[in-house]
This record gives sequence, C-alpha cells and structure tokens, in this order.
Amino acid sequence: GAGVSQSPRYKVTKRGQDVALRCDPISGHVSLYWYRQALGQGPEFLTYFNYEAQQDKSGLPNDRFSAERPEGSISTLTIQRTEQRDSAMYRCASSPIARLAGPGELFFGEGSRLTVL
Amino acid sequence: GENVEQHPSTLSVQEGDSAVIKCTYSDSASNYFPWYKQELGKRPQLIIDIRSNVGEKKDQRIAVTLNKTAKHFSLHITETQPEDSAVYFCAAHNVDRSQGNLIFGKGTKLSVKP
Repeated sequence: GAGVSQSPRYKVTKRGQDVALRCDPISGHVSLYWYRQALGQGPEFLTYFNYEAQQDKSGLPNDRFSAERPEGSISTLTIQRTEQRDSAMYRCASSPIARLAGPGELFFGEGSRLTVL
Repeated sequence: GENVEQHPSTLSVQEGDSAVIKCTYSDSASNYFPWYKQELGKRPQLIIDIRSNVGEKKDQRIAVTLNKTAKHFSLHITETQPEDSAVYFCAAHNVDRSQGNLIFGKGTKLSVKP
C-alpha cells in the first residue's frame, strides 16, 4: 500500500480481554515504531524494531504489553488483560532509515483507537 | 531520560500574522529535533526538522531555530493561512543512542482566524 496501514481502526473491548493491534508498514521500510497517543497529548513512545529485531521496549507500560515483528514487516502490538487506562489511540510509524542512522522521518498510520469498557 | 516541554498549549492568530511555538528539552546529548503537524482527525506528518550542527533551517513560510546552550528550539510560521490550523508537536532525540527514542512535546493547537 501507499502508506502505513493499521487495523482495526476502532476496537471496543471489555476490561480483562486481550487485544491485538496490527501494523502493516510502508513496503521496504526498515524501522517500525509503536506510539500511544492520548487525547490532547503528544505521541508517547512504546517500542521499536529494526527489521525483525525489537531494539527498544523501554516505553511499554508493563508486562501486559508486548510487540512482535517476526518477518521484519507486519507488526502486532498485543495488550493482555486490558484495563480502562489502556484506552487510547495506538499509532504505528515506519521509517526507511535503519535506527543507527537516526530516526529520520516517521510515517505514521491512521491509528487504532482502543476503548476499554 | 529526555523530557520535552512545549509552549503555548494553544495559540490563536489572525491570518497573515506570524506564529511562534517554543520547546525546551532536558537531555543535552539530544541532536535531532523534528516538528510534526497533525490536522484534526489525521495522522502526524513531518513538516521540518533540524540537527544540532545548524542553528536555523527554513522551508518557505516555516523555519526552525535551535539554541543548544539554552536547550530550546522554536518553530516560526510566517504569513499564516487558515490551512496552517492544526496541532503542532516538537520532538527531540539523540540519534547516536541505541536506547531511547523520539520524545514528543504535548502539542500546540494553532488556530488561524481568517
């Protein structure tokens, strides 16, 4: 596709359920980032990958959050046992530049809006 | 870790006036400073960035200045137009570090009144 694609666009779930958010980056982009954006706030870093390797997961709030990118392309962010405080817009971004050369321009997806009831 | 403060949180200007948004950062090792524009309901998009080896960068009506000593950088938009209305985010990062990442400010909502 032409841009970063995320699914689902909207997800409503009950507290305690697991959710999986998918990101399909721009073809050929090396780096993939996950951010969380609360309403009226800036994007908050969660984790990023260079190819299939998770380089930094220091932004993941706790061990209920995990991410993978097994083949260096599509990535999944999984939230286990969701809580109401997990409600937010989850944005994926990709970059054609390998991390060590600098983040370069991040191309953001439309985001997945998660609502935990 | 890095912390980025952004001011003001909201800014309203008349069409044709200039707008200035300021950010400060805490990590003196940060050396990459991008600005992203997010229109209502849309994704953030890069509009300009600057690295620490320069003090100013311009692109048509927008410019960014950097003061490394004071650890602050600013976005300047001249001859504002209604389509400049959006939320603007500054960010900072040390590209030489493998850990840590692009840290964003909380955003400035710019309204340009026709």
